[in-house]
Amino acid sequence: QQQVKQSPQSLIVQKGGISIINCAYENTAFDYFPWYQQFPGKGPALLIAIRPDVSEKKEGRFTISFNKSAKQFSLHIMDSQPGDSATYFCAASSSGGYQKVTFGTGTKLQVIP
Amino acid sequence: ETGVTQTPRHLVMGMTNKKSLKCEQHLGHNAMYWYKQSAKKPLELMFVYNFKEQTENNSVPSRFSPECPNSSHLFLHLHTLQPEDSALYLCASSQLGASYNEQFFGPGTRLTVL
Repeated sequence: QQQVKQSPQSLIVQKGGISIINCAYENTAFDYFPWYQQFPGKGPALLIAIRPDVSEKKEGRFTISFNKSAKQFSLHIMDSQPGDSATYFCAASSSGGYQKVTFGTGTKLQVIP
Repeated sequence: ETGVTQTPRHLVMGMTNKKSLKCEQHLGHNAMYWYKQSAKKPLELMFVYNFKEQTENNSVPSRFSPECPNSSHLFLHLHTLQPEDSALYLCASSQLGASYNEQFFGPGTRLTVL
């Protein structure tokens, strides 16, 4: 019940295209859904996050879509650029108490020119 | 130094060696974490320290021994490791009590056990 399932494992997108990464969760106590971006040789860094009281959050070219009834959320990268090539992790946690963060398995994105 | 720093960045050790990984956070946070990152697996939470007190040990083998002398420093002492322990070890910190547990990660230590 604590798992966050992420797909695809890897993704190749042409420059200018849309990258889409999907995640699903089971635990209905989760109420915070961040996405982390990790470049080679670096630790993960928070990219964008959403709470379940909204269905979409946009920051620049990055958008999170959230479907509470389906317990799914996704990251869309518009106008993908070679500099977006990285590994993306979705995650989930619940507010209050200890706030343990559960991570997905990661998606390696490659944006080709 | 800013953010979360980790040393060394790379470590190669034999199964009989003893070594330590160091993490320092410059963010004034009150919680620190050790994660293990292996290929094609979710980040595995190993240990959590909250105000220097260990609050979680995720069934980690005793060959990994954490130490948190203060809220800014975290160590992971390693001894008699196995080749399957080779991975990227990430340290993170956060401010528990804030609305959400945003974790800030260091660059990691790439550990190879021969």
